[in-house]
Amino acid sequence: DTEVTQTPKHLVMGMTNKKSLKCEQHMGHRAMYWYKQKAKKPPELMFVYSYEKLSINESVPSRFSPECPNSSLLNLHLHALQPEDSALYLCASSLFSGGAAGELFFGEGSRLTVL
Amino acid sequence: GENVEQHPSTLSVQEGDSAVIKCTYSDSASNYFPWYKQELGKRPQLIIDIRSNVGEKKDQRIAVTLNKTAKHFSLHITETQPEDSAVYFCAASKGGGADGLTFGKGTHLIIQP
Repeated sequence: DTEVTQTPKHLVMGMTNKKSLKCEQHMGHRAMYWYKQKAKKPPELMFVYSYEKLSINESVPSRFSPECPNSSLLNLHLHALQPEDSALYLCASSLFSGGAAGELFFGEGSRLTVL
Repeated sequence: GENVEQHPSTLSVQEGDSAVIKCTYSDSASNYFPWYKQELGKRPQLIIDIRSNVGEKKDQRIAVTLNKTAKHFSLHITETQPEDSAVYFCAASKGGGADGLTFGKGTHLIIQP
């Protein structure tokens, strides 16, 4: 299994809603990532989890809250988002972070629209 | 921090011709350089990568070259096909780690039939 699975594929939410994005991988990877991608732009790193611990937080607003319940799962909890947060949210994983981690495997993404 | 410049932003080539995309990086400590292909509405996928201990790597129609002295690396696609149409991103990181990847802004490659 070389897949990173993300749900939901599409999400529309109001600025007062609370929702969560979910990501799952069963490749035994110990590093998992959240990226944000706006149209026609490169992916921007948001968070890195290494061995289920948050290792990098790229100054992301607190309305985004990551969670790594176990080595296979990664969640992104969303609350009080702004319309400018509308984007494709990509989950990714790699064997481990740092060193010769090799390939970054991306999920298909969750397309978020904030009204 | 690392800064990766990518050119051109759009590249249109005739089917069967070659395409070259160029990137420069700023941090001489960077030592891992992957290339990702992203088709419209799909996820980025690694197509080739190179580490700083080699100057060139080839995989069928795709090759990457690295010039550490000049701090630039290039993607070469030969005998282009319609399915090569996509956005291509270069990236760089230190320690070979995926967590330190800095992406270029992307090149939209268009293959003209």
